Amino acid sequence: AQSVTQLDSHVSVSEGTPVLLRCNYSSSYSPSLFWYVQHPNKGLQLLLKYTSAATLVKGINGFEAEFKKSETSFHLTKPSAHMSDAAEYFCVVSEPPPSNTGKLIFGQGTTLQVKP
Amino acid sequence: SAVISQKPSRDICQRGTSLTIQCQVDSQVTMMFWYRQQPGQSLTLIATANQGSEATYESGFVIDKFPISRPNLTFSTLTVSNMSPEDSSIYLCSAKSGTEAFFGQGTRLTVV
Repeated sequence: AQSVTQLDSHVSVSEGTPVLLRCNYSSSYSPSLFWYVQHPNKGLQLLLKYTSAATLVKGINGFEAEFKKSETSFHLTKPSAHMSDAAEYFCVVSEPPPSNTGKLIFGQGTTLQVKP
Repeated sequence: SAVISQKPSRDICQRGTSLTIQCQVDSQVTMMFWYRQQPGQSLTLIATANQGSEATYESGFVIDKFPISRPNLTFSTLTVSNMSPEDSSIYLCSAKSGTEAFFGQGTRLTVV
């Protein structure tokens, strides 16, 4: 069965320092992986996605993630944190073929705090 | 892309009553989903809303409690029936367009 594990429930960084949010996945197939961000009282927004193309994926707002099959990881990074990055981040895996139901399986989430 | 409008955005309801949440997509989509996000927790899939047929429910969710309609390719409703305080959550509608899933703003439900 598909699953994702976000290794940190809470990450705190100073503004201008790098961000690392860790995610490991479990999948029987080559997975499709996503990172979503949820700002307080707002909907979910897709940051980036991996769908078996380039292993280094660039997303919006300076975020990127690298798919590492050998480590079953899909960590999210950003070189320099901004105050507006403070939010909840979800690592997500989609159900693989052949079911192709489009269902998403969410990790538990990581709260990113950015200190001035 | 797809823009999803969900209403109401929030509601406070009495226990034992029911609330119907509406989800409108600005384009035709093949797949629509309903998720629940309990306080301080991640999203859990309730069901897949199938156009023209009964919804497909995930383990732990039943049609009597969460009846779903999907009359066409752009609209769906989720009803939370016979509510109890444990149903207090954010309920989110999602639609898949291409390889990407889009989400509504969510409905924040408080049951008192």
